[in-house]
Amino acid sequence: QQPVQSPQAVILREGEDAVINCSSSKALYSVHWYRQKHGEAPVFLMILLKGGEQKGHEKISASFNEKKQQSSLYLTASQLSYSGTYFCGTAPRGGSQGNLIFGKGTKLSVKP
Amino acid sequence: EAEVAQSPRYKITEKSQAVAFWCDPISGHATLYWYRQILGQGPELLVQFQDESVVDDSQLPKDRFSAERLKGVDSTLKIQPAELGDSAMYLCASSPWTGEAYEQYFGPGTRLTVT
Repeated sequence: QQPVQSPQAVILREGEDAVINCSSSKALYSVHWYRQKHGEAPVFLMILLKGGEQKGHEKISASFNEKKQQSSLYLTASQLSYSGTYFCGTAPRGGSQGNLIFGKGTKLSVKP
Repeated sequence: EAEVAQSPRYKITEKSQAVAFWCDPISGHATLYWYRQILGQGPELLVQFQDESVVDDSQLPKDRFSAERLKGVDSTLKIQPAELGDSAMYLCASSPWTGEAYEQYFGPGTRLTVT
């Protein structure tokens, strides 16, 4: 039931792009993306609702393929501040919309 | 900018002792969550409140954990007795209802170490 994130880790040079994927075995109502820096709380990035919506936040955008039960987070022209662990949280369709199930995270390191 | 407040930030306790964590959500957020996060893992929901009522506590180990939100504002999570496996980060989050979904905002967390 826990969504699967890939890759587990990625190292980028400043200015490079990255894609982080989140895949669920359950039909989803929504997908939430968070970034967590070491020793800090997760920070809300964006929420994707069923319907294939794509949303953006700074140079970070995401898509949600409802049929494939997958979401992807796109980071373009990465900055040093993008370093951290990215988590997707999924709300299964038919369940409590607040009850998020989080993946194990993708650790992103941006080097100068 | 409004934030979720938690205290203490760090807690070291001995096995079999009682421990309590406090959370004050963002003003106006009716929904409050307690999560446990083990190092290297994503947060795991323990309990969800809507105002003062428990919506979901299916993942809460009720033999030793309890949570309350008596007046529908701040909340307390208690562990009694603490076990070594309880060492983790305990995160509180709150969210408004946007009309379509819940956007959850996390507090800084309480790092618990059980010795």
